Amino acid sequence: AQSVTQLDSHVSVSEGTPVLLRCNYSSSYSPSLFWYVQHPNKGLQLLLKYTSAATLVKGINGFEAEFKKSETSFHLTKPSAHMSDAAEYFCVVSDLTGFQKLVFGTGTRLLVSP
Amino acid sequence: NAGVTQTPKFQVLKTGQSMTLQCAQDMNHNSMYWYRQDPGMGLRLIYYSASEGTTDKGEVPNGYNVSRLNKREFSLRLESAAPSQTSVYFCASSGPTVATEAFFGQGTRLTVV
Repeated sequence: AQSVTQLDSHVSVSEGTPVLLRCNYSSSYSPSLFWYVQHPNKGLQLLLKYTSAATLVKGINGFEAEFKKSETSFHLTKPSAHMSDAAEYFCVVSDLTGFQKLVFGTGTRLLVSP
Repeated sequence: NAGVTQTPKFQVLKTGQSMTLQCAQDMNHNSMYWYRQDPGMGLRLIYYSASEGTTDKGEVPNGYNVSRLNKREFSLRLESAAPSQTSVYFCASSGPTVATEAFFGQGTRLTVV
């Protein structure tokens, strides 16, 4: 069975400093991995996805993530936080066999202070 | 550019009342999903539909029913609402392969009193 663990429920950074949101996954097969962002009272928007091509994936708004099979990790990073990055972030795994059922992590709330 | 459209956006129900949440997508996707979002629990899958005419239970199906009316529409019904069903509900759809991302509606905030 697939599962996702987001290691921090909250992360606080100052504007202009790096962002690191951690995600570990468990999957019996080669997974697809996604990061979604949810701004307050909004729906979910795809930030980036990994689908067995390049292990370093670049997304929107300067975010990127690196797939590390040996560590079963897919951490999300950004070199310099912006106030508009304050939101909730979800790491999601999808098994590459059979029907696509997305399994969500519990989310990490990113707080950005001036 | 509508994508996935959910109605209503907000709803308050009394315990025992019924209601149907509507969802429609215009991206010609085969797969559609209903999730609920509760604080600290991420999104949990209620039901999904791999294609028109098929539906399957997800992680938390109790108290819900679904209908895949056609390729575009996938509705979620609460027959007898309970306070435990107070949540934000999201509909989503996705494309033909497991590597394609899901697109989400804006959500329905449901309160059961």
